[in-house]
Amino acid sequence: GAGVSQSPSNKVTEKGKDVELRCDPISGHTALYWYRQSLGQGLEFLIYFQGNSAPDKSGLPSDRFSAERTGGSVSTLTIQRTQQEDSAVYLCASSPGQGGGETQYFGPGTRLLVL
Amino acid sequence: AQSVSQHNHHVILSEAASLELGCNYSYGGTVNLFWYVQYPGQHLQLLLKYFSGDPLVKGIKGFEAEFIKSKFSFNLRKPSVQWSDTAEYFCAVNDKVTSGTYKYIFGTGTRLKVLA
Repeated sequence: GAGVSQSPSNKVTEKGKDVELRCDPISGHTALYWYRQSLGQGLEFLIYFQGNSAPDKSGLPSDRFSAERTGGSVSTLTIQRTQQEDSAVYLCASSPGQGGGETQYFGPGTRLLVL
Repeated sequence: AQSVSQHNHHVILSEAASLELGCNYSYGGTVNLFWYVQYPGQHLQLLLKYFSGDPLVKGIKGFEAEFIKSKFSFNLRKPSVQWSDTAEYFCAVNDKVTSGTYKYIFGTGTRLKVLA
């Protein structure tokens, strides 16, 4: 069956430009998560959605970062006025629900490079 | 807030050696614990998880982990590693946000290289 998909797989942008990263979760999964993976930093939690609402936005690094989810499905992570320190792999994951023991299913990630 | 520590950042082993990767979390209460693995060029995937019950959890590919509540630990073990176990391993713990909702806190990962 289809897993979590993300697009684009790679993105190179210039400092100051805006970027949009897309995540398509597994069909029927109500919970969706965004993480940032930087070299040597592990996975940094950014935001999660339960349905279309985001109960916890505390992980977003600055107000340049925003995310939305529509129709309980696709999510978009937007980074405005990108900075070089935004360069990282952005991972999306989904899970069937939001119970504490849920397994997360990860996408392949979007590798962002800000020049 | 919860935090997760993985003390081994890089581990190099020969095939057939035994493996133990450390994972500690910061505080108790009811927790769910996970190990995820990322093989080269592949997505992160679940290796095993502790939800409740038997604190010795068995996962895929011969891996196991033991939840020791008194030590706030969830170390990953494998008696005999194979070259195909070369990967990055992440420990994770859930962190309760509100009643019924959680987020997941990941450690910084351990890169394991197994020499053939």
